[in-house]
Amino acid sequence: SQTIHQWPATLVQPVGSPLSLECTVEGTSNPNLYWYRQAAGRGLQLLFYSVGIGQISSEVPQNLSASRPQDRQFILSSKKLLLSDSGFYLCAWTEDYYGYTFGSGTRLTVV
Amino acid sequence: LAKTTQPISMDSYEGQEVNITCSHNNIATNDYITWYQQFPSQGPRFIIQGYKTKVTNEVASLFIPADRKSSTLSLPRVSLSDTAVYYCLVGPNNAGNMLTFGGGTRLMVKP
Repeated sequence: SQTIHQWPATLVQPVGSPLSLECTVEGTSNPNLYWYRQAAGRGLQLLFYSVGIGQISSEVPQNLSASRPQDRQFILSSKKLLLSDSGFYLCAWTEDYYGYTFGSGTRLTVV
Repeated sequence: LAKTTQPISMDSYEGQEVNITCSHNNIATNDYITWYQQFPSQGPRFIIQGYKTKVTNEVASLFIPADRKSSTLSLPRVSLSDTAVYYCLVGPNNAGNMLTFGGGTRLMVKP
């Protein structure tokens, strides 16, 4: 069966520090991968999506970047975090069927 | 992508049936309607999807009128554990499509 792993679960980082969040998918190949961010009490904002290795599309200009070094690995990064980067980050995937499967999320607090 | 409108919040009591309606006036011919449930600090979870008429699974029912400009998620006999945010999404039924999660409907089930 397909599973999605996302870590860490929580993270507290100082302003100006770098960020690396990792997401991996098991049990599938060539999935479409997504990074979403959710501010407290708000809906989900699509940040990046990828349809294949090295293929990244950005939905909003921001202080973040994404990479897909392997078929089932998706990484969200930042060189210097801002306070506004705080939020709940979710990785998700879809394959050749409907619906998203989400990871458990990372709650990032920038202090 | 079709825009959706749903109530910001709803209150209910245990044992009642809850109906959450979503408006999607500009739904396209190849669009499907999908509902997700999200608990605090978790990623959204797929509940149900439909194209027209009625769909039922072990969790919920989805009613879609003939014009498809709205849909109603029906939760039978809710319990406290159904307290969550419910999102209505409309889009083509294929992988790689980027669906937009709006603010959702915050359902509060009271004892």
